[in-house]
Amino acid sequence: QQPVQSPQAVILREGEDAVINCSSSKALYSVHWYRQKHGEAPVFLMILLKGGEQKGHEKISASFNEKKQQSSLYLTASQLSYSGTYFCGTDPYSGAGSYQLTFGKGTKLSVIP
Amino acid sequence: DGGITQSPKYLFRKEGQNVTLSCEQNLNHDAMYWYRQDPGQGLRLIYYSQIVNDFQKGDIAEGYSVSREKKESFPLTVTSAQKNPTAFYLCASSPAPGYEQFFGPGTRLTVL
Repeated sequence: QQPVQSPQAVILREGEDAVINCSSSKALYSVHWYRQKHGEAPVFLMILLKGGEQKGHEKISASFNEKKQQSSLYLTASQLSYSGTYFCGTDPYSGAGSYQLTFGKGTKLSVIP
Repeated sequence: DGGITQSPKYLFRKEGQNVTLSCEQNLNHDAMYWYRQDPGQGLRLIYYSQIVNDFQKGDIAEGYSVSREKKESFPLTVTSAQKNPTAFYLCASSPAPGYEQFFGPGTRLTVL
């Protein structure tokens, strides 16, 4: 079943922060986050493998709450280059990683000067 | 440079024709995937392959076929049985299940 992302869209001014949420109705092994710019391929951001795990890359970080079956992506001090559509991909719990990620519909992030 | 190539970038076909989309990778990855993306939608899995000469249906395999004769190549055929073939098609690969997936630039198919 497709994970639910919220919000569907958000507009930020440069320097503002944003949070994107991804919720699943199933127990999860991992959550993947990707960013896609218009007409381009999705680009990998990070994988969260354990409940409670947090990861970060510069000003983009994420958390994974295994009990709540959800993950959040945090973008701080946003830059124009952060604009794009963010997708979460969920890997259902089977004891190990699987080949079948299920992606949410995406959150469109627009950063304006 | 290692990566995934898809060709062509844009493809136009008449209704009722089969069309094959190319996907090649030089990352030495065992797993390869085909996704379909429609406007405002996420990526939906069509087929995946764990290893050469083996492939599995994804969530929306009807009207599509694939082959995996070489590790580097995973072509997708959109058959005339696919009712709404116009979409953006993305190929991806990963070294193993559950790992990061690397995506190709995509092929935008328009059926007239």
